[in-house]
Amino acid sequence: TQLLEQSPQFLSIQEGENLTVYCNSSSVFSSLQWYRQEPGEGPVLLVTVVTGGEVKKLKRLTFQFGDARKDSSLHITAAQPGDTGLYLCAGAGNQFYFGTGTSLTVIP
Amino acid sequence: EPEVTQTPSHQVTQMGQEVILRCVPISNHLYFYWYRQILGQKVEFLVSFYNNEISEKSEIFDDQFSVERPDGSNFTLKIRSTKLEDSAMYFCASRSGTGVTPLHFGNGTRLTVT
Repeated sequence: TQLLEQSPQFLSIQEGENLTVYCNSSSVFSSLQWYRQEPGEGPVLLVTVVTGGEVKKLKRLTFQFGDARKDSSLHITAAQPGDTGLYLCAGAGNQFYFGTGTSLTVIP
Repeated sequence: EPEVTQTPSHQVTQMGQEVILRCVPISNHLYFYWYRQILGQKVEFLVSFYNNEISEKSEIFDDQFSVERPDGSNFTLKIRSTKLEDSAMYFCASRSGTGVTPLHFGNGTRLTVT
């Protein structure tokens, strides 16, 4: 089993603040995906990163894949209450291995 | 946009009973998965299914579990004799290919074993 550790596990911030979530593994992945999950729903894909060192932006979200393709980060600028949710990274192998999750709460 | 649908949304069963969780993957998808998420914990892989057979399964997916694609649209997960620790959200997912092709998840079935 390939383990992906996310940090922090819980994060509670004020609206307008910036934050970074980390996803780390000792394994190399061909690609890595970030999902967001809201209560009572399934995870929804945010982005896929494939190339080591790749940076992708999705409005206020910036995703980076580590050079060695073992780690990734998600940075949110000027967080809004609508960003509240569980953020999951998932590394692609024969199937997807999910990270431990980061629960984000943005307080208005 | 096509989506993965799961039924029922919530299933309550007594310990030792059999349950069948149902999923309708996106119609042109070829790869099917079951994941589970115990409340407050991580999403755990159970099994993947391709070309009418299991392609990979985790250590969680023991002899009590089975999957089936009985027709061209449904994908089911059966738990033969449920245990208390089987209580979790069960998510079905599908995708059209492998590699970077993303998973599309259903909204899950909340299974409660009493």
